[in-house]
Amino acid sequence: QQQVKQSPQSLIVQKGGISIINCAYENTAFDYFPWYQQFPGKGPALLIAIRPDVSEKKEGRFTISFNKSAKQFSLHIMDSQPGDSATYFCAALLSGGYQKVTFGIGTKLQVIP
Amino acid sequence: NAGVTQTPKFQVLKTGQSMTLQCAQDMNHNSMYWYRQDPGMGLRLIYYSASEGTTDKGEVPNGYNVSRLNKREFSLRLESAAPSQTSVYFCASNRAGGEKLFFGSGTQLSVL
Repeated sequence: QQQVKQSPQSLIVQKGGISIINCAYENTAFDYFPWYQQFPGKGPALLIAIRPDVSEKKEGRFTISFNKSAKQFSLHIMDSQPGDSATYFCAALLSGGYQKVTFGIGTKLQVIP
Repeated sequence: NAGVTQTPKFQVLKTGQSMTLQCAQDMNHNSMYWYRQDPGMGLRLIYYSASEGTTDKGEVPNGYNVSRLNKREFSLRLESAAPSQTSVYFCASNRAGGEKLFFGSGTQLSVL
């Protein structure tokens, strides 16, 4: 049972463009939505996260947009750079409950010069 | 800072062989986790340990056992490896109730 659906599975963006990755969740009890970034040969690392009491969170070139009524959230990477090429995972969980986390299947982003 | 350290980085096994994946963290975290990563499947939780002395099954525990040796170390054992266990395995840790998971760099396991 996939509780978090992530799309697309792969994405190619030109340098300077906007990368958009979408996730949809089912369990309305989830209250913490992190994004993890994974470079080849490395473990995932927390990139940015949001709670459902806000509709948007921005950290540098990375923005999460959150639509509670639609049960959807997305990651936007502005001015995408080749160094952003990585796999991105969305996740949904109850606060402090990584025992019950559900990760999306991942999006492999390639930013071409 | 070492963070979360996993050994080995690569391993090839024959079907039926056993092995133990080792994980250690130096951040004094209470909780530790083992995930497997497969193409098109994302990260799936195998086992976790909320605190020293406790372990619980995650989403895909069949074929695996774990040991929380002490607060720092959490090992994953494959008693009789199967080709379906070919995967990349990640250990992770966080403080109790923490919102950030810290991952190791992974073990790439192939079972032939």
